[in-house]
Amino acid sequence: DAGVTQSPTHLIKTRGQQVTLRCSPKSGHDTVSWYQQALGQGPQFIFQYYEEEERQRGNFPDRFSGHQFPNYSSELNVNALLLGDSALYLCASSPGGQGSYEQYFGPGTRLTVT
Amino acid sequence: GQSLEQPSEVTAVEGAIVQINCTYQTSGFYGLSWYQQHDGGAPTFLSYNGLDGLEETGRFSSFLSRSDSYGYLLLQELQMKDSASYFCAVNDYKLSFGAGTTVTVRA
Repeated sequence: DAGVTQSPTHLIKTRGQQVTLRCSPKSGHDTVSWYQQALGQGPQFIFQYYEEEERQRGNFPDRFSGHQFPNYSSELNVNALLLGDSALYLCASSPGGQGSYEQYFGPGTRLTVT
Repeated sequence: GQSLEQPSEVTAVEGAIVQINCTYQTSGFYGLSWYQQHDGGAPTFLSYNGLDGLEETGRFSSFLSRSDSYGYLLLQELQMKDSASYFCAVNDYKLSFGAGTTVTVRA
């Protein structure tokens, strides 16, 4: 049973560019949440997707957008990259249509903006 | 919004007991979760308290007092592999994490 997978594992971009990160949830899970984790900090909630719609959103600007596909996989897009967007981006999945207290995290995508 | 506070670092020897406290201020609350994250790894779920009291899972236990907006994670019989960061997280259909506590286990 595959767990949560994310791609790519590492990415280097230049300020002003755009990036797309991908996530496949654990088998049987239909809810996907995205988090940003800066070095030495806890994960910060970006948004959550269920039934292909954004259900909840954290305090992130509109430059951060997402999508969920019919197979429950998800993408995170970040436009107009800033140096401060450099972080580990984590995807987490859970079942049941609501954000669960037990979320399964993928290994993350390390984004570096230069 | 959510605000969580936990100690930044704890150091202990193998076999010892460590308690990581977490206090929170929230606008919505369904429970308190605990996650472990090794360097370079993904956070993994450890424990959850939806109601007041103690939950025990092997060497790890977690406690919650809703009236005090307080919880703790207890790590018993510490092992070297327990060296990691530990996060408390408030659950209100999303997870709001604290900054994390780095636990270092010494031989």
